Amino acid sequence: QQQVKQSPQSLIVQKGGISIINCAYENTAFDYFPWYQQFPGKGPALLIAIRPDVSEKKEGRFTISFNKSAKQFSLHIMDSQPGDSATYFCAASNSGAGSYQLTFGKGTKLSVIP
Amino acid sequence: DGGITQSPKYLFRKEGQNVTLSCEQNLNHDAMYWYRQDPGQGLRLIYYSQIVNDFQKGDIAEGYSVSREKKESFPLTVTSAQKNPTAFYLCASFNLRGSEAFFGQGTRLTVV
Repeated sequence: QQQVKQSPQSLIVQKGGISIINCAYENTAFDYFPWYQQFPGKGPALLIAIRPDVSEKKEGRFTISFNKSAKQFSLHIMDSQPGDSATYFCAASNSGAGSYQLTFGKGTKLSVIP
Repeated sequence: DGGITQSPKYLFRKEGQNVTLSCEQNLNHDAMYWYRQDPGQGLRLIYYSQIVNDFQKGDIAEGYSVSREKKESFPLTVTSAQKNPTAFYLCASFNLRGSEAFFGQGTRLTVV
């Protein structure tokens, strides 16, 4: 079963705080793990992605931590800002499967309050 | 500007009516996808196509149909057989030589 489980469903963080969103997967063949950011009424946009050959990737205030043995990965948003308020989706794919499908988590609605 | 264009942004459907959502991309991507988004449900795959004139059912294909006559275009028809069509529909394209999916801005379909 190709599933990606995401938590929490919603998250409220004070401005300047750290936002943490977690995802767990089952399919050990997954080899690409992106995070997408979606603002209301818009399509998702790629935020940051990681492959399992590294345990962490950082881009600005956004960091992905990856634990291959636990089959878990997480998104950390440092110094969270009100402009980060959006819905975040984790996803996973198996680039060797030939179908190039992304399996998405159910999303986390982040609200950053001043 | 390269990207994916979905139209219309808003669409209203009467009971028993078929409607077609448009998706066009100029990214020269091989693969195109249709997702349905409902509150709290994430993105669920309806159909996808990796090559012209070929497409595959996703997880929730019942009540939907697609065509892929051109590489740039992947329209989705919501048929009268889809009993609960009110949702936000997202089209995406994927470069088979990479892994990033690019999304359109979505079409919000409402049954009236």
